[in-house]
Amino acid sequence: DAKTTQPTSMDCAEGRAANLPCNHSTISGNEYVYWYRQIHSQGPQYIIHGLKNNETNEMASLIITEDRKSSTLILPHATLRDTAVYYCIVRVAGANDYKLSFGAGTTVTVRA
Amino acid sequence: DAGITQSPRHKVTETGTPVTLRCHQTENHRYMYWYRQDPGHGLRLIHYSYGVKDTDKGEVSDGYSVSRSKTEDFLLTLESATSSQTSVYFCAIRARTGEGQPQHFGDGTRLSIL
Repeated sequence: DAKTTQPTSMDCAEGRAANLPCNHSTISGNEYVYWYRQIHSQGPQYIIHGLKNNETNEMASLIITEDRKSSTLILPHATLRDTAVYYCIVRVAGANDYKLSFGAGTTVTVRA
Repeated sequence: DAGITQSPRHKVTETGTPVTLRCHQTENHRYMYWYRQDPGHGLRLIHYSYGVKDTDKGEVSDGYSVSRSKTEDFLLTLESATSSQTSVYFCAIRARTGEGQPQHFGDGTRLSIL
């Protein structure tokens, strides 16, 4: 699986958009980009995923560059409850042994 | 809200005792997974299942066994618990249909082996 690189931490003001970058320069054509977050002591929460096109759901938007070597997760209006560790993961989908490899992620702190 | 229930949520037991953790889903999903999470290691896959009675090992399967006798339940057993198995255990499920379907996680079981 392609490796991802994320900043260790970032701060964001409440009510503002939070833009979380992820670099995955070795991604292959059939690998998806997944974003999860984990709030302290809870299970990882799925946010969004995509292959080539930009995606949006009720939680966030995912912008994938045309060459697919990087992506950005956008939380449009950050709230204090968005404080969490955010993980960017790339993985080939469809195989039986489809496991997710969680790296260190980005610790996002939303400040009032 | 992903229809996953892990039990127990917390357990403290002694070294050498058997322990079984249960993951129950109401989504009728084909795939189920057991991970453990430890400081400095992130989440690591223990075992997974791709159907009833179909299971396989993950990256840290030593000391663990699993069983899946029906779609909704995936059991993780520590035959003789050791202190190194103190961890937070997460179950995840995934639908078969749909390309790129994500995994959804339960709330975890916090296990302490004394």
